[in-house]
Amino acid sequence: AQKITQTQPGMFVQEKEAVTLDCTYDTSDPSYGLFWYKQPSSGEMIFLIYQGSYDQQNATEGRYSLNFQKARKSANLVISASQLGDSAMYFCAMRPPGGNKLVFGAGTILRVKS
Amino acid sequence: DAGVTQSPTHLIKTRGQHVTLRCSPISGHKSVSWYQQVLGQGPQFIFQYYEKEERGRGNFPDRFSARQFPNYSSELNVNALLLGDSALYLCASSLVGTPTDTQYFGPGTRLTVL
Repeated sequence: AQKITQTQPGMFVQEKEAVTLDCTYDTSDPSYGLFWYKQPSSGEMIFLIYQGSYDQQNATEGRYSLNFQKARKSANLVISASQLGDSAMYFCAMRPPGGNKLVFGAGTILRVKS
Repeated sequence: DAGVTQSPTHLIKTRGQHVTLRCSPISGHKSVSWYQQVLGQGPQFIFQYYEKEERGRGNFPDRFSARQFPNYSSELNVNALLLGDSALYLCASSLVGTPTDTQYFGPGTRLTVL
């Protein structure tokens, strides 16, 4: 069975600094997708970034980058130049092969301080 | 373009009642998935539908059912409500529901069972 582990329940970062949110995953399948979503207090899950298991390069989307270390089974999210609006819950998720369901971790609450 | 929409936004029911939640996907998206997010946890997969057919089902009791309509909108039905069904119910849509698709989430329906 697939499993996502996010070991940081909460994180603080100073505005304009970079922050790394940890994510490790467990799967025996060679083909999978990894996602990060942001969930503000309003509840909506906002897609941030995607990494495929066969992608050779780390994914980047604006201020978001994914540090993909396949051998270590980790997919950490790096947010550069943090903004106050980045304060939210962040979820790492994995999509196993053959289906469309997402398996989510427990999430990390990020608070950006001014 | 409009994102995924869900109705209602909030709902209060009592134990034993049934509830119907509705979701309209992003225009052009043919796959809809439903997730349950209990407070303090990551979302859990309930169902995926594509072209009106069920393509995946999570570990939920038969009290949970869903369907997809010809216009690709979807309904989630929950019968004989229990206190433990109180949660945020999220709908996500994707183009065709393949493993390479990205799922985009709606704002959710917050269900409270008293």
